Amino acid sequence: AQSVAQPEDQVNVAEGNPLTVKCTYSVSGNPYLFWYVQYPNRGLQFLLKYITGDNLVKGSYGFEAEFNKSQTSFHLKKPSALVSDSALYFCAFFTQTGANNLFFGTGTRLTVIP
Amino acid sequence: EAGVAQSPRYKIIEKRQSVAFWCNPISGHATLYWYQQILGQGPKLLIQFQNNGVVDDSQLPKDRFSAERLKGVDSTLKIQPAKLEDSAVYLCASSFDRGSQAFFGQGTRLTVV
Repeated sequence: AQSVAQPEDQVNVAEGNPLTVKCTYSVSGNPYLFWYVQYPNRGLQFLLKYITGDNLVKGSYGFEAEFNKSQTSFHLKKPSALVSDSALYFCAFFTQTGANNLFFGTGTRLTVIP
Repeated sequence: EAGVAQSPRYKIIEKRQSVAFWCNPISGHATLYWYQQILGQGPKLLIQFQNNGVVDDSQLPKDRFSAERLKGVDSTLKIQPAKLEDSAVYLCASSFDRGSQAFFGQGTRLTVV
């Protein structure tokens, strides 16, 4: 079965330090991969996507993600964390066969410590 | 550009009662999704519409959940009768077409007591 996995439920990082939120995928064919962020009491917001092209994808709010085919990973990164980045982050993928559904990982809660 | 609108924002009902949620997608978006997000978990897809047709409802508990998008625009999701385990946030999302970026509404938080 196709899926994405977020191995860390919680990530803590000090303000100003680089952050990484991990995602690995098991998707057949060429994966369409996404990162979404969810702030408290708000809907999911799109951060970035990888469909094809450069392995390093730049997105909103200074975030970027690197698609690594050999490691089947799509980790989310930011060079310098802000307290306002504290939120719930979801990795997601589109199935390219059948219904083209968007499926989500279990989420990683990022806490940036002042 | 207006986003995906959902109502109500919050709903509290007793178990065995019925409830309905409404979603108005972004204008021109053909694809509409309903997700269930239980606290502490990732969103779980319930149903996908393409215009007014159901593309995938394989994960919809059809004994109690139903959804429609009669005119290919607004959609309603209904639960009848509700169970305690239905307590969750119900998210609606839309995209221009299948496989394109999905935009989410703020969700409806349902509490079943």
